[in-house]
Amino acid sequence: GESVGLHLPTLSVQEGDNSIINCAYSNSASDYFIWYKQESGKGPQFIIDIRSNMDKRQGQRVTVLLNKTVKHLSLQIAATQPGDSAVYFCAPLGGNTPLVFGKGTRLSVIA
Amino acid sequence: DAGVIQSPRHEVTEMGQEVTLRCKPISGHNSLFWYRQTMMRGLELLIYFNNNVPIDDSGMPEDRFSAKMPNASFSTLKIQPSEPRDSAVYFCASSLTGVSPLHFGNGTRLTVT
Repeated sequence: GESVGLHLPTLSVQEGDNSIINCAYSNSASDYFIWYKQESGKGPQFIIDIRSNMDKRQGQRVTVLLNKTVKHLSLQIAATQPGDSAVYFCAPLGGNTPLVFGKGTRLSVIA
Repeated sequence: DAGVIQSPRHEVTEMGQEVTLRCKPISGHNSLFWYRQTMMRGLELLIYFNNNVPIDDSGMPEDRFSAKMPNASFSTLKIQPSEPRDSAVYFCASSLTGVSPLHFGNGTRLTVT
């Protein structure tokens, strides 16, 4: 029979272009947000985090934007490289809830 | 630091057998988490510990699953008896506190035939 799997949103980006990965959350008590990157065959790895008292945070080639009003955050990757190909998860924390991951977004970089 | 260490890396077993997955968290981290990842359900939290004490095991699928943390440097996830639907990648993660970034191991890929 037909198998039904988890359909990951997929973003395909040309190498060198910028990538924007979006994430919506529902818990208004969330006050800390973490982005993870999961490459094939590995566990998720921490990329960058942001607290609710900020609306922007920059790392090396990555920027996270937080809009608490609409409960939305985004991860921007500048000059996307083949090594950026992975599944990206945002993980909101707060309100005494354990770390729960959404289904993630698959980023495919076209060389 | 070597990071979170999980063993075995791969496990293939027959239905009905007992399976034990092992995890060594990062030294000094006081929270430990067990996750399961499948294509169908994504990454699911099974159970987490704070200071070796289980805090929330509501994600454990059924009584066949049990987890222990006898000390701060070791945890096990046991499935007895195992079933084919338990096939998945099981991740262990640790963090400094319950609200700090998780550090994941590379997982144990379990196949139950």
